Amino acid sequence: KNEVEQSPQNLTAQEGEFITINCSYSVGISALHWLQQHPGGGIVSLFMLSSGKKKHGRLIATINIQEKHSSLHITASHPRDSAVYICAVYPMRFGAGTRLTVKP
Amino acid sequence: DTEVTQTPKHLVMGMTNKKSLKCEQHMGHRAMYWYKQKAKKPPELMFVYSYEKLSINESVPSRFSPECPNSSLLNLHLHALQPEDSALYLCASSQAWDSDYEQYFGPGTRLTVT
Repeated sequence: KNEVEQSPQNLTAQEGEFITINCSYSVGISALHWLQQHPGGGIVSLFMLSSGKKKHGRLIATINIQEKHSSLHITASHPRDSAVYICAVYPMRFGAGTRLTVKP
Repeated sequence: DTEVTQTPKHLVMGMTNKKSLKCEQHMGHRAMYWYKQKAKKPPELMFVYSYEKLSINESVPSRFSPECPNSSLLNLHLHALQPEDSALYLCASSQAWDSDYEQYFGPGTRLTVT
């Protein structure tokens, strides 16, 4: 069993929908990271979380340390949000990624 | 400057060739990383350098040879690669070798071994 599990693997949404991606982990952590990877390869760090909740624009990330679970939410999704979203515990434990497609 | 640069963007090499990938950052970060990413898979850690010393080698075959000449530069020397080594090679850096620091990723080098 992978130490970092993500769901769903694939997600298709209509523009404007509220999106939730989940991440569960089985290792002890001090921080969990959410990453975004667009086609073509570049990876951008979205959030680093050690507790509670963080918000950046339309993106919200939450973490529950006791339950070893984190979620990434996208409000009012847009086609430009189409990407692969990866949760990671650095430096070597990555979730398999969630491929998000937002249709206009 | 929060950029990690990688050269070349694309590389095609034969199995008998020797080539090098280059990564550079000028953020004063003291940890640098090489990752390998196959299509539709998450990145896999290959090497970690901390303060210019190799800290982690994730059992990578010796045909991949990392080098950290200074705190800003990281190289990956390639020799006698196999077609299954074709992948996207990503470099990253962070303030230190610790999970509490954000990693900054380069755009990657897409390697094809023929």
